[in-house]
Amino acid sequence: DGGITQSPKYLFRKEGQNVTLSCEQNLNHDAMYWYRQDPGQGLRLIYYSQIVNDFQKGDIAEGYSVSREKKESFPLTVTSAQKNPTAFYLCASTRPNVRQTQHFGDGTRLSIL
Amino acid sequence: AQSVAQPEDQVNVAEGNPLTVKCTYSVSGNPYLFWYVQYPNRGLQFLLKYITGDNLVKGSYGFEAEFNKSQTSFHLKKPSALVSDSALYFCAVRGGNTGKLIFGQGTTLQVKP
Repeated sequence: DGGITQSPKYLFRKEGQNVTLSCEQNLNHDAMYWYRQDPGQGLRLIYYSQIVNDFQKGDIAEGYSVSREKKESFPLTVTSAQKNPTAFYLCASTRPNVRQTQHFGDGTRLSIL
Repeated sequence: AQSVAQPEDQVNVAEGNPLTVKCTYSVSGNPYLFWYVQYPNRGLQFLLKYITGDNLVKGSYGFEAEFNKSQTSFHLKKPSALVSDSALYFCAVRGGNTGKLIFGQGTTLQVKP
């Protein structure tokens, strides 16, 4: 079945450490997105990519980095510059048409040790 | 600027009663509106969307939503609630031509037996 796979499901970060969250999709979607979810705040956009080798900052990009070397993959790195990384991170993808629906993975929960 | 508001943090209904989860939006141009549901520690599941046409949109699991342009609302409804409908519900509007979704803060639906 086609879908979006996020790994790991749970991740722990030590002080000063960078961690990378994986997002892979086999839906043949061009556009991919990373969101951060905090209680009571809905979802906030971190980065998005509409095509391979190109990506744009979202509303809260500081302390995060991404790459888009393959159509299927859009990994997110949470750097040590992100001072409050504890959150639930969601990856999504869609075809590049405003009428299309975004499909979501099952998320990665990141916590600080 | 585009925005979405879900005025209720929580909605409580008895099983078998009708339910409504409210959403209002602000967008320039034609609105593309979406409802998603999220169960604990899972990603978002798509319920329904309004793109154009009939103001009453039918979606998954017996849910429907009514688009009201004059009131800039897109309320989610179901004629008879189930305990299994208890979850977190998000309304979202698509902004511009980037495919970016702008989310409300979410409404927790609690259906009691």
